Amino acid sequence: NAGVMQNPRHLVRRRGQEARLRCSPMKGHSHVYWYRQLPEEGLKFMVYLQKENIIDESGMPKERFSAEFPKEGPSILRIQQVVRGDSAAYFCASSLGGGTYEQYFGPGTRLTVT
Amino acid sequence: AQSVTQLDSQVPVFEEAPVELRCNYSSSVSVYLFWYVQYPNQGLQLLLKYLSGSTLVKGINGFEAEFNKSQTSFHLRKPSVHISDTAEYFCAVSETGANNLFFGTGTRLTVIP
Repeated sequence: NAGVMQNPRHLVRRRGQEARLRCSPMKGHSHVYWYRQLPEEGLKFMVYLQKENIIDESGMPKERFSAEFPKEGPSILRIQQVVRGDSAAYFCASSLGGGTYEQYFGPGTRLTVT
Repeated sequence: AQSVTQLDSQVPVFEEAPVELRCNYSSSVSVYLFWYVQYPNQGLQLLLKYLSGSTLVKGINGFEAEFNKSQTSFHLRKPSVHISDTAEYFCAVSETGANNLFFGTGTRLTVIP
């Protein structure tokens, strides 16, 4: 049973470009979470989605960031007009359900904005 | 508002020695508590979790943690560490009914041969 897949593993973008990060949850999981890890910091929650629905986006910056989890295909975290401060590791996690269900993490996408 | 404090950013320890990684939290409601390990360039792996019941929780790789409600702590311990335990360890909290995890800043454990 494959774990959570994220691609690309490394992404380099120039300031002003768009970044698209993809996350395929574990088989059978319909709940997806996105976290951001800045250098020397812990992970910070961004958004929680179920299939076709955003459940909680309280950690998502109000501008330039968006997330989706379509009925078919991976979850996408999209960052428009990237700035240097967006450079970070972005982790996706999936679970069978919300609440106490264990979240399984992917290997992360390391975004570098030059 | 909830917060998680990991006081030690780095902990060096000799192989086969015991180790304790400290975690304190604050929250106005009941919480669930977790410890995750992150190996270089990898995602996080769950070591153990406390949801309810016995305050002493045993996890994988010989780790255990004890929930102390009065001291709002959830310290991680291992009686004898191995080289392979070298990694970053994160304490995390989830308020009951919440969907997201709130992480501490991490403790880098380095096991010295």
